[in-house]
Amino acid sequence: QVQLQESGPGLVKPSQTLSLTCTVSGGSISSGYYYWSWIRQPAGKGLEWIGRIYTSGSTNYNPSLKSRVTISVDASKNQFSLKLTSVTAADTAVYYCARELDNYGSKCFDPWGQGTLVTVSS
Amino acid sequence: DIQMTQSPSSLSASVGDRVTITCRASQTISSYLNWYQQKPGKAPNLLIYAASSLQSGVPSRFSGSGSGTDFTLTISSLQAEDFATYYCQQSYSTPLTFGGGTKVEIK
Repeated sequence: QVQLQESGPGLVKPSQTLSLTCTVSGGSISSGYYYWSWIRQPAGKGLEWIGRIYTSGSTNYNPSLKSRVTISVDASKNQFSLKLTSVTAADTAVYYCARELDNYGSKCFDPWGQGTLVTVSS
Repeated sequence: DIQMTQSPSSLSASVGDRVTITCRASQTISSYLNWYQQKPGKAPNLLIYAASSLQSGVPSRFSGSGSGTDFTLTISSLQAEDFATYYCQQSYSTPLTFGGGTKVEIK
């Protein structure tokens, strides 16, 4: 079955760029008609959808982050990536990647990666 | 953005109890509503999609209902492994948004 795994630096300095990669195993990122999403969760808080990329490469971003976010895909490596620029302490969170399924018209996230903690601090 | 409001934010219950969690959308979302369970230190796990469809492998004690703006997740007989935080999520429009979560604790 499809599995996802996040990777990237766990510590980023303020004003710098957060870069994470999600590696997909057990299936091709290009097969099927899926969106691939990034979601984050500050410690002790709820979930925030960051954005997604379709297998065609088209993207949708959360307007609250749109000016700072780029999501891209590298099908040859079966990976998709997140870049978040000009980070502040408010961007400290566990970052998850997830596949977005279309179940009877309702887009839901399954499976998820295990998550990776990114701390923004000098 | 569509705001998702869950209630209660936390509850205490005993094994065997029937538990109901509600989720209200700030505008109609038809049946585009999903439920997740999250245990400490773990990623969320999909329980219910399209308001009332049980994800494969999820125990039948979990059920969902509702449409429009008001939705419910019910656990018919709470088990020890069900103590966790539950989130609703709307997929009617982007940005996709989640409720604030309901933490189910042991009484």
